[in-house]
Amino acid sequence: EDKVVQSPLSLVVHEGDTVTLNCSYEVTNFRSLLWYKQEKKAPTFLFMLTSSGIEKKSGRLSSILDKKELFSILNITATQTGDSAIYLCAVYHNNNDMRFGAGTRLTVKP
Amino acid sequence: NAGVTQTPKFQVLKTGQSMTLQCAQDMNHEYMSWYRQDPGMGLRLIHYSVGAGITDQGEVPNGYNVSRSTTEDFPLRLLSAAPSQTSVYFCASSPRTLNYEQYFGPGTRLTVT
Repeated sequence: EDKVVQSPLSLVVHEGDTVTLNCSYEVTNFRSLLWYKQEKKAPTFLFMLTSSGIEKKSGRLSSILDKKELFSILNITATQTGDSAIYLCAVYHNNNDMRFGAGTRLTVKP
Repeated sequence: NAGVTQTPKFQVLKTGQSMTLQCAQDMNHEYMSWYRQDPGMGLRLIHYSVGAGITDQGEVPNGYNVSRSTTEDFPLRLLSAAPSQTSVYFCASSPRTLNYEQYFGPGTRLTVT
């Protein structure tokens, strides 16, 4: 059965900490892996990864994919309270199927 | 641009009632999809469309119908609402079917009593 598993499910850190969020997957015909940030409403796009070992970076956020071990990580350095959100990992697979993980709820305390 | 719009924002239904959740996008995107989000379960794909006149089922299609008569609109119909359909529903669109980010609407919070 296709599945995407995120860990941890929730995380509480203090401002300035560095966090690593994990996403592992088992799907048929992997196409790409995407990370989204969800605050109060709709998810917003962060990264899309298709190739192993190539880091995507945007400011304090970065992500990398390992297609051999079937996982991705999302790193956030020097966290801020505005980083508090649910971070969703999603995998595109088969022809047009998208499977989301349950998400990691990150809380950044001042 | 308005992006992806959804109506209504909130809805309360009684068991057995039917209704349509509206979704529209003004970005000329080919791919549109509907998800439901339940606590602790992330988003689950209900139905999707790769273009006008073409729809297909996702992970949890039972109890829902869709149609795609135009590129812009992708309504989701609940045929006979059940309490298990209480959820937050998101519509999304993307320029192409694969390897593109999706743009999400603001969501509809549906409660079935």
